[in-house]
Amino acid sequence: NAGVTQTPKFQVLKTGQSMTLQCAQDMNHNSMYWYRQDPGMGLRLIYYSASEGTTDKGEVPNGYNVSRLNKREFSLRLESAAPSQTSVYFCASSMTRYEQYFGPGTRLTVT
Amino acid sequence: AQTVTQSQPEMSVQEAETVTLSCTYDTSESDYYLFWYKQPPSRQMILVIRQEAYKQQNATENRFSVNFQKAAKSFSLKISDSQLGDAAMYFCAYLMEYGNKLVFGAGTILRVKS
Repeated sequence: NAGVTQTPKFQVLKTGQSMTLQCAQDMNHNSMYWYRQDPGMGLRLIYYSASEGTTDKGEVPNGYNVSRLNKREFSLRLESAAPSQTSVYFCASSMTRYEQYFGPGTRLTVT
Repeated sequence: AQTVTQSQPEMSVQEAETVTLSCTYDTSESDYYLFWYKQPPSRQMILVIRQEAYKQQNATENRFSVNFQKAAKSFSLKISDSQLGDAAMYFCAYLMEYGNKLVFGAGTILRVKS
């Protein structure tokens, strides 16, 4: 089992460029999540998907879109990247609400 | 809205000694879950311990234990016999009973001295 995988691991974008962060899990979990982690702050929820076909906004959804492609995959898209979106992005999945498994993270820099 | 506060940005402990990391939270709910996550330099988030609010008994996992004070809304993590591998950022987190959203504190960096 690979658990939760994320691609890419690192990315540098110019302001205004778009990109999609990919996340996949092989644990047959129903729920998936996207978080961002900024210096001096804990992780903050961007979007989550309680089950295939559903998505909901978290604490900081502005500037992002998500797609729950199937049960395994949950992608995060930045349509027009801004320097404020420089962060480390984590994907997580869970079967039960109280045990989330995290991916290794993607470090994104927007210049 | 629920908030989680970790008042210690950084802590140090000598190898083999005990250290306690503090966490307080604010909620009007009576049922919820509390967590401690460890983030080593690899960035991987690792669940250390979980506490259900309805349980009076404090959770323990090997060298890790919590002191859960529900009335005071306090949830501290005690690490006994500290090891070099315990050096990491530690996050306290809160989850509502019927929610999906983890709310994290800002984290405490733990340094372990040999």
